[in-house]
Amino acid sequence: EPEVTQTPSHQVTQMGQEVILRCVPISNHLYFYWYRQILGQKVEFLVSFYNNEISEKSEIFDDQFSVERPDGSNFTLKIRSTKLEDSAMYFCASSGTRIYNEQFFGPGTRLTVL
Amino acid sequence: KQEVTQIPAALSVPEGENLVLNCSFTDSAIYNLQWFRQDPGKGLTSLLLIQSSQREQTSGRLNASLDKSSGRSTLYIAASQPGDSATYLCAVRQGRSQGNLIFGKGTKLSVKP
Repeated sequence: EPEVTQTPSHQVTQMGQEVILRCVPISNHLYFYWYRQILGQKVEFLVSFYNNEISEKSEIFDDQFSVERPDGSNFTLKIRSTKLEDSAMYFCASSGTRIYNEQFFGPGTRLTVL
Repeated sequence: KQEVTQIPAALSVPEGENLVLNCSFTDSAIYNLQWFRQDPGKGLTSLLLIQSSQREQTSGRLNASLDKSSGRSTLYIAASQPGDSATYLCAVRQGRSQGNLIFGKGTKLSVKP
């Protein structure tokens, strides 16, 4: 069964460093998302991406965040200068041909900022 | 602003029991609602998607109902098993053209053998 994959599973970085989180969405899906979950808190929406551009973003998704689909399979989230409060589980998700279709999530990348 | 609440925060039941998990949302103008399962330290597994025009959806031992006008959804799990132990999350999508899901904090279910 097709699934969303994410790498790495765990990333440790120093405050101020740049990180890139990678995702491979389900192959025929057209809509891509990033969410995050700070330990003990709700899952929060960051950004959605369709047709090679951002379609929605939350207040959390400020100038230090960016997303890219560098090729036909990968979808990346870049955090330019990490802060302690960026420590969280980051989930990538994708959905099919309609924006309101069911979303399928990857296993997540745990980001720890020291 | 849409708020999604799940009560109880935690639930412990003996194996074999039927149970109901609750989800409420403050703005009834949702497009659809999705139930997920999250195992500790893992990703989210989609269980059921229920459209705003539907009253319920079923998958195996799971049944989700939706009462949009009252801002409530329930997830019914029949004949619970220890393998059902996980955190169950509900999430709503606000509009047809909006992709972002708004999540509740979840109900942590423990099924004792």
